[in-house]
Amino acid sequence: LAKTTQPISMDSYEGQEVNITCSHNNIATNDYITWYQQFPSQGPRFIIQGYKTKVTNEVASLFIPADRKSSTLSLPRVSLSDTAVYYCLVAVGYGGATNKLIFGTGTLLAVQP
Amino acid sequence: DSGVTQTPKHLITATGQRVTLRCSPRSGDLSVYWYQQSLDQGLQFLIHYYNGEERAKGNILERFSAQQFPDLHSELNLSSLELGDSALYFCASRASGGANTGELFFGEGSRLTVL
Repeated sequence: LAKTTQPISMDSYEGQEVNITCSHNNIATNDYITWYQQFPSQGPRFIIQGYKTKVTNEVASLFIPADRKSSTLSLPRVSLSDTAVYYCLVAVGYGGATNKLIFGTGTLLAVQP
Repeated sequence: DSGVTQTPKHLITATGQRVTLRCSPRSGDLSVYWYQQSLDQGLQFLIHYYNGEERAKGNILERFSAQQFPDLHSELNLSSLELGDSALYFCASRASGGANTGELFFGEGSRLTVL
């Protein structure tokens, strides 16, 4: 199972773009990269998922370099409500051993006015 | 709303007692994962069930057990409770096929307080 490493915390200001990088050096061929957002006392919520290159949805972009040993979650123009913990999760796609989905320590993003 | 339902939302009990937490996954999801999150800590994987069968165990104590029933709901049983068992317990379900390859849908959690 790929182990993930993220910064413990990051600070930003409203309106700025925030990039959070996750390292997963031993990612396997079948592994996908998924990011979650968690607010205090709430369950994590799916943000975005990708396998390679770039994925964009209405809330974020995910950049994955060719070697896939890291990924970067990009949040455009953050607001105070984006203050949360962000987790990256590397999980094998269906057909592989997806029985243990182990989250890393997460990154606490603090957005200030 | 993730579609995953957990009950009870809050539970206060005493040391030495036993409690049962319940999880109903999204309709059609066969996989249920349980996680424990202590105060200001990350998500600790406990156990995974798929279509009624245990598939993987994480750092689950022997005092804890779980099962998944034929209707796919799952229960996490915590016994001989200790103060350190106070935490948020989350269950998550996962789609059972198609293009989805990792998205977990979490419930709102059950907050257990052991006094």
